Amino acid sequence: GEDVEQSLFLSVREGDSSVINCTYTDSSSTYLYWYKQEPGAGLQLLTYIFSNMDMKQDQRLTVLLNKKDKHLSLRIADTQTGDSAIYFCAETGEGYSSASKIIFGSGTRLSIRP
Amino acid sequence: DTGVSQDPRHKITKRGQNVTFRCDPISEHNRLYWYRQTLGQGPEFLTYFQNEAQLEKSRLLSDRFSAERPKGSFSTLEIQRTEQGDSAMYLCASSLRGPAGTTNEKLFFGSGTQLSVL
Repeated sequence: GEDVEQSLFLSVREGDSSVINCTYTDSSSTYLYWYKQEPGAGLQLLTYIFSNMDMKQDQRLTVLLNKKDKHLSLRIADTQTGDSAIYFCAETGEGYSSASKIIFGSGTRLSIRP
Repeated sequence: DTGVSQDPRHKITKRGQNVTFRCDPISEHNRLYWYRQTLGQGPEFLTYFQNEAQLEKSRLLSDRFSAERPKGSFSTLEIQRTEQGDSAMYLCASSLRGPAGTTNEKLFFGSGTQLSVL
C-alpha cells in the first residue's frame, strides 16, 4: 500500500542548513507537500511541489524531488530557533477524488542547538 | 478570515461517555476534513465533506463515530461510548476544491481538539 517514511529526529546548529528527507511509495503521486507543526498547534502548509518539477525554491526553503527514487527533501537555509517543529511530508495521487489519498509521514522533529 | 477554528481545545472524559467536537472552517472553503493524530504519528484521515455531503469515511471510523456538516459550514464530530483508545488529537482541516482537473488541494488545519479518555 501507499506509505510515506521520514526519519524521526534531526538536530542542527543555529545558522546551519537543515535537510529533512522523505521517501514515498505511490508512483502516481502528483503533488507532494511539506507541513510544519509547532507544539499544541495544527499543521501549517509550508510548500508543495508538482511531480513534473524537480526543484522549487521559496525564500529559505528549497524542495528537491527525485521522482525516479521517490525521494523528497526539504532544505531550510540559515536555520533559526523558530524553525523548531515537526515537519510532515505528505503525498497525493493523480486525479484523486478523495482526501484519503493524502498520506502523511510520521514527521521529523527538528531541534535547533545554539 | 480567522482560519480554521476548533472547539474545545481540550476534552477530558470518562470511558463510556459521549463527546462532541466542533469545527468552523475557513468561510469560503467547500471541503472539510477530520483527521486523528496520535503521539509520534502523522495525521490519519477519518472522513471528509464537500459542502454538506459526506463523501468518504475511513475504515478507521467505527460505528461509534459520526460526523455531520448540516449546512455546509461548520461540522461536528461525535464519539459515542468513548474508549481509552480514542485518546488522540482530532484535527479539522478545510480546503477550496477548484474546478474539475484541479488536484492540488491545500489543506488548512485547525489547532485540534486533544481528547483524553480516562
